[in-house]
Amino acid sequence: NAGVTQTPKFQVLKTGQSMTLQCAQDMNHNSMYWYRQDPGMGLRLIYYSASEGTTDKGEVPNGYNVSRLNKREFSLRLESAAPSQTSVYFCASSDVIYGYTFGSGTRLTVV
Amino acid sequence: AQSVTQLDSHVSVSEGTPVLLRCNYSSSYSPSLFWYVQHPNKGLQLLLKYTSAATLVKGINGFEAEFKKSETSFHLTKPSAHMSDAAEYFCVVTLSYGQNFVFGPGTRLSVLP
Repeated sequence: NAGVTQTPKFQVLKTGQSMTLQCAQDMNHNSMYWYRQDPGMGLRLIYYSASEGTTDKGEVPNGYNVSRLNKREFSLRLESAAPSQTSVYFCASSDVIYGYTFGSGTRLTVV
Repeated sequence: AQSVTQLDSHVSVSEGTPVLLRCNYSSSYSPSLFWYVQHPNKGLQLLLKYTSAATLVKGINGFEAEFKKSETSFHLTKPSAHMSDAAEYFCVVTLSYGQNFVFGPGTRLSVLP
């Protein structure tokens, strides 16, 4: 089925460890996004990529890096995880007609 | 800058009764507006969107929303709630596609039997 695929679905990290969250879309969308969702705060944009080869900071970029590997893939990296990064992370892609399509999320716990 | 206010953090209704989830926005320009639904431990699903066409927008699962520019509102309604409607609902505003979507804090809808 067409859509946005995120891996992994769950992850537990120790403080200071690094990891990369993977995201791929097969809808030929130009724009891709990474959000984090925390209780009572809705979704906050971490980084976005308006097109292949470009990335821009969102509302809460500190502690994260991204790579737009190609049109399909947009990864999010935590270089040195902190407990404050415990959250649910959503990848999304968008186009002009249909708006956003979200992945199913990655639940990350940093201990 | 855009912002979104969802006036109720939690709404509780009985099955078969109407649903009203309120959303007000602030934007200097004509916005595009969306409602997304998130069921527990799931991703977000688009319910409906307004993009400067008809002001009354019909979405999936019997939901609809009306854009009222004079009130800067985009409230979500459904005539008769179903148990499966219990979820978190997010109102979202953006100036145009491909730009940052601004999410409201969400409204949790509970449906009582």
